[in-house]
Amino acid sequence: EPEVTQTPSHQVTQMGQEVILRCVPISNHLYFYWYRQILGQKVEFLVSFYNNEISEKSEIFDDQFSVERPDGSNFTLKIRSTKLEDSAMYFCASSPGASGGGKNIQYFGAGTRLSVL
Amino acid sequence: AQSVTQLGSHVSVSEGALVLLRCNYSSSVPPYLFWYVQYPNQGLQLLLKYTSAATLVKGINGFEAEFKKSETSFHLTKPSAHMSDAAEYFCAVSPEYGNKLVFGAGTILRVKS
Repeated sequence: EPEVTQTPSHQVTQMGQEVILRCVPISNHLYFYWYRQILGQKVEFLVSFYNNEISEKSEIFDDQFSVERPDGSNFTLKIRSTKLEDSAMYFCASSPGASGGGKNIQYFGAGTRLSVL
Repeated sequence: AQSVTQLGSHVSVSEGALVLLRCNYSSSVPPYLFWYVQYPNQGLQLLLKYTSAATLVKGINGFEAEFKKSETSFHLTKPSAHMSDAAEYFCAVSPEYGNKLVFGAGTILRVKS
């Protein structure tokens, strides 16, 4: 069964460093998402991406964050200068079409745990 | 704004007992509701979804959920718990337009033998 894959499973970085989290969405999917879960808190939406541009973003997704689909298979989340509070589990998801109204299911990866020291 | 509240961060049941995981939503418009499950070291997997058709929704692995508008609830149930059901369960709501899911805090289900 096709699945969303995320690498690495755990990333440790020093405060102020740039990190890139990588995701390979399901191959025929058109919509891509990033969510994060800070330890002990809710899973929070960060951004959705369609047709090579951001379609929606939350207030969390500030100028420190960017997303890119550099080729036909990868979808990346970059954090330019990490802060301690960026430590969280980051989930990538994809859907075959727009998911509003429950029209299409979002399929999630296993997550990347980011630890900022 | 839409929001979801899951009552009980941890629920413990005996194998074979009824599983009841609670979810209440807040939405000014008809909601689209989901239950996801996360097994250790795996991604979030969709269990079931409510999209304004039947109010009783059946999902995978014997789970079902009932949408009750009067109670703004979408509780998840399973008649008989199995050891393999031990996982974290998330309730989520989606807008009609736009693509973000709004999640509850999650409930960790423990199944005792």
